[in-house]
Amino acid sequence: EAGVTQFPSHSVIEKGQTVTLRCDPISGHDNLYWYRRVMGKEIKFLLHFVKESKQDESGMPNNRFLAERTGGTYSTLKVQPAELEDSGVYFCASSPIGQGMRAFFGQGTRLTVV
Amino acid sequence: ELKVEQNPLFLSMQEGKNYTIYCNYSTTSDRLYWYRQDPGKSLESLFVLLSNGAVKQEGRLMASLDTKARLSTLHITAAVHDLSATYFCAVANTNAGKSTFGDGTTLTVKP
Repeated sequence: EAGVTQFPSHSVIEKGQTVTLRCDPISGHDNLYWYRRVMGKEIKFLLHFVKESKQDESGMPNNRFLAERTGGTYSTLKVQPAELEDSGVYFCASSPIGQGMRAFFGQGTRLTVV
Repeated sequence: ELKVEQNPLFLSMQEGKNYTIYCNYSTTSDRLYWYRQDPGKSLESLFVLLSNGAVKQEGRLMASLDTKARLSTLHITAAVHDLSATYFCAVANTNAGKSTFGDGTTLTVKP
């Protein structure tokens, strides 16, 4: 069974450019989460989809970040325009609906804004 | 606001020794997770703890939860080099979906 996959694994962009990160969850997982880890600090929640609906986007830092999950399958996270402080590792995770269900994480996308 | 604190943040230990990583959290929560991350890899789920007094063990790792003290521990028994990694605890509430993570504990096991 394929795990959670993220693309690209690394991205280096200039300040002011746009980057789109993609996450393919495990098939059948309705929950999809985005997290990021900046500068080796704690992993912080960004948002949570249930199928195609945004359940909680309280962790999105500002309106330069836009997440979508069309059709309830894969998700994209777009940063436009990127700033230096957006550099970090962006993780996606998915899980089935149900209490106590473990979340499965992707390998992350390392974003560097220069 | 829920806060999760892990300690120590860095741990260097010799093979064969025992040690405990602590995870404190600030408000009542329904679930506590422990994850392992190897450099450049994804977070691997180790344990899910759902109730007070829950104890789970896998290999040389054992996790426990005390919801009254808002404390979870990850105990390492007779450490081996393969256990070198960063370990995260994370806390979630049933209806929230999201998890709040600790800063991670980077464990290095030396021969």
